[in-house]
Amino acid sequence: KNEVEQSPQNLTAQEGEFITINCSYSVGISALHWLQQHPGGGIVSLFMLSSGKKKHGRLIATINIQEKHSSLHITASHPRDSAVYICAVEWNDKIIFGKGTRLHILP
Amino acid sequence: ETGVTQTPRHLVMGMTNKKSLKCEQHLGHNAMYWYKQSAKKPLELMFVYNFKEQTENNSVPSRFSPECPNSSHLFLHLHTLQPEDSALYLCASSQGGELGYGYTFGSGTRLTVV
Repeated sequence: KNEVEQSPQNLTAQEGEFITINCSYSVGISALHWLQQHPGGGIVSLFMLSSGKKKHGRLIATINIQEKHSSLHITASHPRDSAVYICAVEWNDKIIFGKGTRLHILP
Repeated sequence: ETGVTQTPRHLVMGMTNKKSLKCEQHLGHNAMYWYKQSAKKPLELMFVYNFKEQTENNSVPSRFSPECPNSSHLFLHLHTLQPEDSALYLCASSQGGELGYGYTFGSGTRLTVV
């Protein structure tokens, strides 16, 4: 069983829709990351969270430490948001990655 | 460009070849990492270097040999690879030894072993 579970695995939505990607984890963590991987493979770090909520442009990330759950939201989604979104947690000096959510935004 | 540069971007090699992957960062980071991403699998940590010292080797076969000559450069030497080693190899760096802080990834090297 993977310590980090993401849902959904795949998501297709229309441009403009509000997107939510979820991440649940089973270990006690010191921080959680949301990463974006583009089709060519390049990875961009979006957020690092240890509590509460962070916002950057149209992206919002929240974390609930008690419930061991984090969400990544995209408002007013755009085709250029199409990518794989990866949740990763820091635990015992290691980083454990989820399998990613493949997001496809249709124009 | 993220500040972490990997070369080459694509590499095709035979099972008897020897090749090296290169990673370079000028972000002032002191920790560098090699990750492997196989199809439909999560990212797997291979090696960690903190202040040029290897601090983690995640049960990686000896046909993968890392080298970190200074805190800005990281190499992954490859020899006698197997077709199942075909994957995307990602380099990352972070500030100091604190995992995750200022974590920056390179664009990766797509390796195909034939």
